[in-house]
Amino acid sequence: QLQLQESGPGLVKPSETLSLTCTVSGDSINRNNTYWAWIRQPPGKGLEWIGSVCDSGSSYYNPSLKSRVTISVDTPKNQFSLNLRSVTAADTAEYYCARQVGDILTGYWFDPWGQGTLVTVSS
Amino acid sequence: SYELTQPPSVSVSPGQTATITCSGDTLPNQYAYWYQQKPGQAPILVIFKDTERPSGIPERFSGSGSGTTVTLTISGVQAEDEADYYCQSADTSGTYKVFGGGTRLTVL
Repeated sequence: QLQLQESGPGLVKPSETLSLTCTVSGDSINRNNTYWAWIRQPPGKGLEWIGSVCDSGSSYYNPSLKSRVTISVDTPKNQFSLNLRSVTAADTAEYYCARQVGDILTGYWFDPWGQGTLVTVSS
Repeated sequence: SYELTQPPSVSVSPGQTATITCSGDTLPNQYAYWYQQKPGQAPILVIFKDTERPSGIPERFSGSGSGTTVTLTISGVQAEDEADYYCQSADTSGTYKVFGGGTRLTVL
Protein backbone atom coordinates (compact mmCIF):
# COMPACT_ATOMS: atom_id res chain seq x y z
CA GLN A 1 0.00 0.00 0.00
CA LEU A 2 1.41 3.35 -1.05
CA GLN A 3 2.18 5.69 1.85
CA LEU A 4 3.69 9.16 1.98
CA GLN A 5 5.31 10.86 4.97
CA GLU A 6 6.37 14.49 5.26
CA SER A 7 9.36 15.54 7.35
CA GLY A 8 11.23 18.73 8.12
CA PRO A 9 11.51 21.63 10.56
CA GLY A 10 8.34 22.78 12.24
CA LEU A 11 9.61 26.32 12.71
CA VAL A 12 11.25 28.58 10.13
CA LYS A 13 12.36 32.19 10.55
CA PRO A 14 11.02 34.93 8.27
CA SER A 15 13.08 35.49 5.10
CA GLU A 16 14.62 32.01 5.36
CA THR A 17 13.94 28.90 3.26
CA LEU A 18 11.34 26.31 4.18
CA SER A 19 12.57 22.81 3.26
CA LEU A 20 10.45 19.67 3.48
CA THR A 21 10.91 16.10 2.29
CA CYS A 22 8.29 13.51 1.40
CA THR A 23 9.29 9.88 1.73
CA VAL A 24 7.34 7.43 -0.42
CA SER A 25 6.94 3.83 0.74
CA GLY A 26 5.09 0.86 -0.69
CA ASP A 27 5.97 1.67 -4.30
CA SER A 28 8.73 3.17 -6.39
CA ILE A 29 8.74 6.91 -6.98
CA ASN A 30 10.33 6.12 -10.32
CA ARG A 31 7.24 5.10 -12.32
CA ASN A 32 6.74 6.28 -15.88
CA ASN A 33 5.43 9.83 -15.91
CA THR A 34 4.15 9.73 -12.34
CA TYR A 35 3.85 13.14 -10.76
CA TRP A 36 4.21 13.96 -7.09
CA ALA A 37 2.76 17.09 -5.53
CA TRP A 38 2.91 19.49 -2.60
CA ILE A 39 -0.26 21.09 -1.27
CA ARG A 40 -0.66 23.40 1.72
CA GLN A 41 -3.41 24.58 4.04
CA PRO A 42 -3.08 27.65 6.29
CA PRO A 43 -4.69 27.19 9.72
CA GLY A 44 -8.47 27.35 9.39
CA LYS A 45 -8.33 27.92 5.64
CA GLY A 46 -8.61 26.00 2.39
CA LEU A 47 -6.23 23.96 0.28
CA GLU A 48 -3.67 25.44 -2.12
CA TRP A 49 -1.73 23.45 -4.72
CA ILE A 50 1.96 24.44 -4.62
CA GLY A 51 3.42 22.42 -7.46
CA SER A 52 4.22 19.02 -8.90
CA VAL A 53 7.32 17.13 -10.02
CA CYS A 54 7.69 14.14 -12.32
CA ASP A 55 10.00 11.21 -11.62
CA SER A 56 12.09 12.49 -14.53
CA GLY A 57 12.59 15.78 -12.68
CA SER A 58 10.24 17.90 -14.78
CA SER A 59 8.24 20.27 -12.56
CA TYR A 60 5.58 22.97 -12.68
CA TYR A 61 4.29 25.35 -10.07
CA ASN A 62 1.38 27.49 -8.93
CA PRO A 63 1.96 30.84 -10.67
CA SER A 64 1.39 32.66 -7.38
CA LEU A 65 4.38 30.87 -5.80
CA LYS A 66 6.53 30.09 -8.82
CA SER A 67 9.19 32.71 -8.10
CA ARG A 68 9.94 31.21 -4.67
CA VAL A 69 9.41 27.45 -5.13
CA THR A 70 11.55 24.54 -6.19
CA ILE A 71 10.33 20.93 -6.08
CA SER A 72 12.83 18.18 -6.81
CA VAL A 73 12.93 14.39 -6.79
CA ASP A 74 15.55 11.99 -5.38
CA THR A 75 14.79 8.63 -6.93
CA PRO A 76 17.49 6.58 -5.13
CA LYS A 77 16.03 7.69 -1.79
CA ASN A 78 12.42 7.39 -3.03
CA GLN A 79 11.82 10.97 -1.90
CA PHE A 80 10.78 14.31 -3.28
CA SER A 81 11.36 17.70 -1.70
CA LEU A 82 9.97 21.21 -1.42
CA ASN A 83 12.02 24.40 -1.04
CA LEU A 84 10.12 27.65 -0.47
CA ARG A 85 12.34 30.71 -0.27
CA SER A 86 11.92 34.06 1.48
CA VAL A 87 9.08 32.89 3.71
CA THR A 88 6.76 35.17 5.66
CA ALA A 89 4.05 34.54 8.24
CA ALA A 90 1.64 34.01 5.34
CA ASP A 91 3.48 30.77 4.56
CA THR A 92 2.50 29.27 7.92
CA ALA A 93 0.48 26.19 7.00
CA GLU A 94 0.01 22.46 7.14
CA TYR A 95 2.03 21.10 4.24
CA TYR A 96 0.92 17.88 2.53
CA CYS A 97 2.61 15.72 -0.07
CA ALA A 98 0.55 13.56 -2.40
CA ARG A 99 0.72 11.38 -5.47
CA GLN A 100 -0.76 13.01 -8.54
CA VAL A 101 -2.88 10.53 -10.48
CA GLY A 102 -4.32 10.64 -13.99
CA ASP A 103 -3.32 11.64 -17.50
CA ILE A 104 -3.96 14.25 -20.15
CA LEU A 105 -7.39 12.75 -20.93
CA THR A 106 -8.67 12.20 -17.38
CA GLY A 107 -7.09 15.21 -15.79
CA TYR A 108 -5.16 14.89 -12.56
CA TRP A 109 -6.14 14.36 -8.96
CA PHE A 110 -4.31 13.69 -5.69
CA ASP A 111 -4.37 10.29 -4.01
CA PRO A 112 -3.14 9.29 -1.50
CA TRP A 113 -1.98 12.15 0.73
CA GLY A 114 0.58 12.20 3.50
CA GLN A 115 -0.60 13.02 7.00
CA GLY A 116 0.76 16.56 6.76
CA THR A 117 3.27 18.57 8.73
CA LEU A 118 2.71 21.98 10.31
CA VAL A 119 5.28 24.63 9.51
CA THR A 120 5.19 27.89 11.43
CA VAL A 121 7.04 30.96 10.19
CA SER A 122 8.08 33.06 13.16
CA SER A 123 11.14 34.70 14.62
CA SER B 1 -6.34 33.42 -11.89
CA TYR B 2 -8.80 30.57 -12.08
CA GLU B 3 -11.28 29.99 -9.25
CA LEU B 4 -13.75 27.38 -8.07
CA THR B 5 -16.66 28.56 -5.92
CA GLN B 6 -18.30 26.48 -3.19
CA PRO B 7 -20.88 27.43 -0.53
CA PRO B 8 -19.14 27.88 2.84
CA SER B 9 -21.54 25.62 4.68
CA VAL B 10 -24.32 23.06 4.26
CA SER B 11 -26.41 21.55 7.05
CA VAL B 12 -28.58 18.46 6.92
CA SER B 13 -30.25 16.07 9.36
CA PRO B 14 -29.17 12.43 9.54
CA GLY B 15 -30.74 10.34 6.80
CA GLN B 16 -31.35 13.31 4.52
CA THR B 17 -29.53 14.14 1.30
CA ALA B 18 -26.71 16.69 1.23
CA THR B 19 -25.77 18.48 -1.98
CA ILE B 20 -22.59 20.51 -2.29
CA THR B 21 -21.98 22.54 -5.45
CA CYS B 22 -18.80 23.75 -7.08
CA SER B 23 -18.81 26.32 -9.89
CA GLY B 24 -16.08 27.30 -12.32
CA ASP B 25 -15.77 28.48 -15.90
CA THR B 26 -13.60 25.58 -17.10
CA LEU B 27 -15.69 22.79 -15.56
CA PRO B 28 -17.40 22.04 -18.89
CA ASN B 29 -13.95 21.11 -20.23
CA GLN B 30 -12.05 19.89 -17.18
CA TYR B 31 -12.96 17.06 -14.83
CA ALA B 32 -13.69 17.74 -11.16
CA TYR B 33 -12.60 15.79 -8.13
CA TRP B 34 -13.88 15.86 -4.54
CA TYR B 35 -12.08 15.40 -1.22
CA GLN B 36 -13.35 14.87 2.31
CA GLN B 37 -11.33 16.29 5.21
CA LYS B 38 -12.16 15.57 8.82
CA PRO B 39 -10.65 17.67 11.65
CA GLY B 40 -6.96 16.98 12.17
CA GLN B 41 -6.78 14.61 9.20
CA ALA B 42 -5.47 14.75 5.66
CA PRO B 43 -7.98 14.97 2.82
CA ILE B 44 -9.14 11.76 1.16
CA LEU B 45 -10.48 11.39 -2.37
CA VAL B 46 -14.20 10.59 -2.56
CA ILE B 47 -15.03 11.31 -6.24
CA PHE B 48 -12.81 11.53 -9.35
CA LYS B 49 -13.55 12.35 -12.98
CA ASP B 50 -16.81 14.07 -11.99
CA THR B 51 -18.74 10.90 -11.18
CA GLU B 52 -16.46 7.98 -10.31
CA ARG B 53 -16.10 6.65 -6.79
CA PRO B 54 -12.81 5.16 -5.55
CA SER B 55 -12.89 1.73 -4.00
CA GLY B 56 -13.73 1.88 -0.33
CA ILE B 57 -15.89 5.00 -0.61
CA PRO B 58 -19.52 4.29 0.38
CA GLU B 59 -22.13 4.22 -2.37
CA ARG B 60 -24.00 7.09 -0.73
CA PHE B 61 -21.36 9.42 -2.20
CA SER B 62 -22.01 10.40 -5.83
CA GLY B 63 -20.98 13.13 -8.22
CA SER B 64 -22.59 14.84 -11.18
CA GLY B 65 -21.97 17.78 -13.45
CA SER B 66 -23.85 20.19 -15.68
CA GLY B 67 -22.21 23.05 -17.50
CA THR B 68 -20.14 25.21 -15.18
CA THR B 69 -21.33 23.46 -12.00
CA VAL B 70 -20.47 20.09 -10.49
CA THR B 71 -22.25 18.59 -7.51
CA LEU B 72 -21.32 16.20 -4.73
CA THR B 73 -24.35 14.37 -3.35
CA ILE B 74 -24.38 12.39 -0.14
CA SER B 75 -27.53 10.32 0.19
CA GLY B 76 -28.68 9.14 3.60
CA VAL B 77 -26.17 11.32 5.43
CA GLN B 78 -24.59 9.81 8.52
CA ALA B 79 -22.99 11.55 11.47
CA GLU B 80 -19.58 10.33 10.30
CA ASP B 81 -19.97 12.35 7.09
CA GLU B 82 -19.58 15.62 8.98
CA ALA B 83 -16.45 17.13 7.46
CA ASP B 84 -15.07 19.76 5.10
CA TYR B 85 -15.45 18.96 1.41
CA TYR B 86 -13.25 20.43 -1.33
CA CYS B 87 -13.65 20.32 -5.08
CA GLN B 88 -10.56 20.41 -7.31
CA SER B 89 -10.03 20.92 -11.00
CA ALA B 90 -7.61 22.66 -13.34
CA ASP B 91 -7.30 25.69 -15.58
CA THR B 92 -8.09 25.62 -19.29
CA SER B 93 -4.73 24.08 -20.16
CA GLY B 94 -5.10 21.42 -17.48
CA THR B 95 -1.71 22.37 -16.10
CA TYR B 96 -2.49 24.43 -13.04
CA LYS B 97 -4.51 22.74 -10.32
CA VAL B 98 -7.00 24.63 -8.21
CA PHE B 99 -9.17 23.88 -5.19
CA GLY B 100 -12.50 25.34 -4.24
CA GLY B 101 -12.70 27.20 -0.95
CA GLY B 102 -14.30 24.24 0.81
CA THR B 103 -17.75 23.51 2.24
CA ARG B 104 -18.32 22.53 5.85
CA LEU B 105 -21.01 19.86 6.09
CA THR B 106 -22.78 19.85 9.44
CA VAL B 107 -24.98 16.92 10.40
CA LEU B 108 -27.62 18.29 12.73
